[in-house]
Formats: sequence, C-alpha cells, structure tokens
Amino acid sequence: GNSVTQMEGPVTLSEEAFLTINCTYTATGYPSLFWYVQYPGEGLQLLLKATKADDKGSNKGFEATYRKETTSFHLEKGSVQVSDSAVYFCALSDPGGSEKLVFGKGMKLTVNP
Amino acid sequence: DTAVSQTPKYLVTQMGNDKSIKCEQNLGHDTMYWYKQDSKKFLKIMFSYNNKELIINETVPNRFSPKSPDKAHLNLHINSLELGDSAVYFCASSPQTSGREGEQYFGPGTRLTVT
Repeated sequence: GNSVTQMEGPVTLSEEAFLTINCTYTATGYPSLFWYVQYPGEGLQLLLKATKADDKGSNKGFEATYRKETTSFHLEKGSVQVSDSAVYFCALSDPGGSEKLVFGKGMKLTVNP
Repeated sequence: DTAVSQTPKYLVTQMGNDKSIKCEQNLGHDTMYWYKQDSKKFLKIMFSYNNKELIINETVPNRFSPKSPDKAHLNLHINSLELGDSAVYFCASSPQTSGREGEQYFGPGTRLTVT
C-alpha cells in the first residue's frame, strides 16, 4: 500500500540554522506530495505541495522538490526562526483519486533563539 | 471567521460512557474527514464524507459512528469509550476542485481523555 517515511526527530536547532527534513514515499501511480505543519495547540496547515515529478513547492521560505527517481520530497529552509517551531508532516494523496491523505509520523522541530 | 471548528476542545470522560464531537466548516467544501492523532503525533484517517455520503471508512471499531446532517457538518459519536480512545481528534474539510486535490483544512482538534 501507499506509505510515507520521514525523519521522526525531535530535532532542536538554533535560529538561522539550515533545516532539512527527509521524506520518502511508496506509492502505486503518481501521487501528489504535501508538507503540512502543526503549530503547538493547533490543527494542521498546508505548508506546500507538488503535484508532479520535478515540481518544486515553496512557501514561507520552505521548499521541497518532487523527486520521482528517488521517491523523495525533502523539506528545506535556509534559515529557521523561532516561529518555525512545530511538528512537520509529509503526506501523499492516494493516486486513485479518493482524496485520502497518507501521513508520515511527523517530526517535531524546536528552534532556540 | 473560523473555517473549521470543533466542539468541545477538551473532553474528559470515564470508560464506558458515550460521547459526541461536533465539527462544522464554513468553507463551502463538499468533503469532510475525521482523523485520530495519538500521543506520538501519528495521524490516521478514520472517516471521510462527500456531500453527506460516506466515502472512506478505515478500519475503525464500530463503536465510532460518524454522522453528517448536511455537507457543512460532520459529527463523531463514540459509544462505550475505552482507555485506548484517548487521543486528539481532528476534523478536516477539502474542496473538490481540480488542482487542489489533497488540500485539507483542519480544525483545532478535540483532546479526548478517557479515565
């Protein structure tokens, strides 16, 4: 079946550090890929997405590129801020079109000043 | 304006009780979902409704019963609560719009604690 594997953390970084969160997927067909973010005490929010191979999603300084050859969608940010402290989820949508999202286990990021 | 709202935010109850969680979205979306997030933050879909019809029903005990009175509301009723039901339950909705597949809007969550 479809699945997502991502770094679990937790990870602690200093402000302005470089961030990479690895995400790989297994899917039949061609899923869309997503990063969702959950700030403390809140629900998940869509951070960025990519719908086909080589697409790059970007938002709020975060980027991720859909790599079909390595089945990956790693999240990167060049300089993190304290306000980026959150749990980050990689997800894929069911290529069968059911609108079902399959999430990775989430990675908690803490950024210290 | 709150896009996806849930009530209550916190729910503490004893084993064996029956409880409901309500969800409402004012985004005009056709599809709504219930997710369960465990203590390790793992998020798993439970149910999905499209325009009041059940379209996804994962392997969930039949003590859990979703009800959608209209496409803006999806409630979750849980019978005979067990300790293992303690979790945060999230409601979400999504538009059925080409190019926006997979975009889901989440409520703030309901933290259920069963004692």
